[in-house]
Amino acid sequence: NAGVTQTPKFRVLKTGQSMTLLCAQDMNHEYMYWYRQDPGMGLRLIHYSVGEGTTAKGEVPDGYNVSRLKKQNFLLGLESAAPSQTSVYFCASTPADYRETQYFGPGTRLLVL
Amino acid sequence: DQQVKQNSPSLSVQEGRISILNCDYTNSMFDYFLWYKKYPAEGPTFLISISSIKDKNEDGRFTVFLNKSAKHLSLHIVPSQPGDSAVYFCAAREGGYNKLIFGAGTRLAVHP
Repeated sequence: NAGVTQTPKFRVLKTGQSMTLLCAQDMNHEYMYWYRQDPGMGLRLIHYSVGEGTTAKGEVPDGYNVSRLKKQNFLLGLESAAPSQTSVYFCASTPADYRETQYFGPGTRLLVL
Repeated sequence: DQQVKQNSPSLSVQEGRISILNCDYTNSMFDYFLWYKKYPAEGPTFLISISSIKDKNEDGRFTVFLNKSAKHLSLHIVPSQPGDSAVYFCAAREGGYNKLIFGAGTRLAVHP
């Protein structure tokens, strides 16, 4: 089991460019999440999905879009990157069981110039 | 307004002694609390949790205490080891779908 994987690991973008971050999990989890981590602010939820074909907004959704066309993949898109989106992005997944915790990927470090 | 607060950005402890990490919350509807540990360049990993109906949960060297009246929880690590040096995040579960709200984290350094 690879668990939760994220690609790419690191990326530099120029303001206005677009990109897609890929999250994949091989644990057959129903729920998936995208977070961003900024210094002094912990992890903040961007978007989440409770099943294939469904997505919902989290705490800080502006400037991001997501899609979950397959159960094992959760994509995070930046249509027009801004310097404020410089951050470390984490994906997580969990089974649909209230007793379960979230399992995190290794993160993607994004720098927007 | 932060619903989960970790007011100490850092903590330094000597090896073998107790480490106590604190967390405060404001929402009395949180039903589950978790601690995650994070090493540099890695994702957070689950450490220990506690249900809101309990006041203590223990797992080896790690114990979490919950004081609902004070809306406060703490993580005790005894004895502390150098390998415990990491950032510790407190998190609270909000509503359905296992959504979590995280604190800002506390960086623990355990020195020999």
